[in-house]
Amino acid sequence: EIVLTQSPGTLSLSPGERATLSCRASQSVSSSYLAWYQQKPGQTPRLLIYGASSGATGIPDRFSGSGSGTDFTLTISRLEPEDSAVYYCQQYGSSPYTFGQGTKLELK
Amino acid sequence: EVQLVESGGGLVQPGGSLRLSCAASGFIFSNYWMHWVRQAPGKGLVWVSRITSDESSTSYADSVKGRFTISRDNAKNTLYLQMDSLRAEDTAVFYCARGGYYDSSGSYQAQAFDIWGQGTMVTVSS
Repeated sequence: EIVLTQSPGTLSLSPGERATLSCRASQSVSSSYLAWYQQKPGQTPRLLIYGASSGATGIPDRFSGSGSGTDFTLTISRLEPEDSAVYYCQQYGSSPYTFGQGTKLELK
Repeated sequence: EVQLVESGGGLVQPGGSLRLSCAASGFIFSNYWMHWVRQAPGKGLVWVSRITSDESSTSYADSVKGRFTISRDNAKNTLYLQMDSLRAEDTAVFYCARGGYYDSSGSYQAQAFDIWGQGTMVTVSS
């Protein structure tokens, strides 16, 4: 089983700043089958990034993903108030399709 | 509109059973692998189970193996999760989600979970 560890647990930033979220895998993620999701309170998870760096449909280009192998990063440039949420990484290349524990992003 | 709608959640006693359904619309359901994901109150997302588009293969998280059974009816565009021997720690919102698919050449294309249902709450308590 691939274990995904996200850091930091909580991130507190101001609007307009840049957020950098990390996801580290216990073993290499095949073919960069790494995704990022955003979940706001009371809402369903929303796919942001797939294939480690491709933006999902309708996602603002402020959201970008990078990385390969075992180290991946979600970057949100120019934070906006509505970006306040929990962000999860997930590997979908092999079963079990594990999620990281999440990073909570708070906007000051 | 592409959507997934779950139903069947509720309150059940420990040791009891429940069957969840997920109705799909707006896309060719029979082409896609489907998943169940759960989220305990205040906790993170946990993958539960997966079924291939033709139901030839299923996969489960260790925590539910032997107790939960995933299935689908492609004629009804519906995904199911039969949950038996339920425990308090199974209390969660259960989501169905769309995954990978077979392309026109028959090759499997892995895909992130791009469509999610709204979730159905399962509470296991006496």
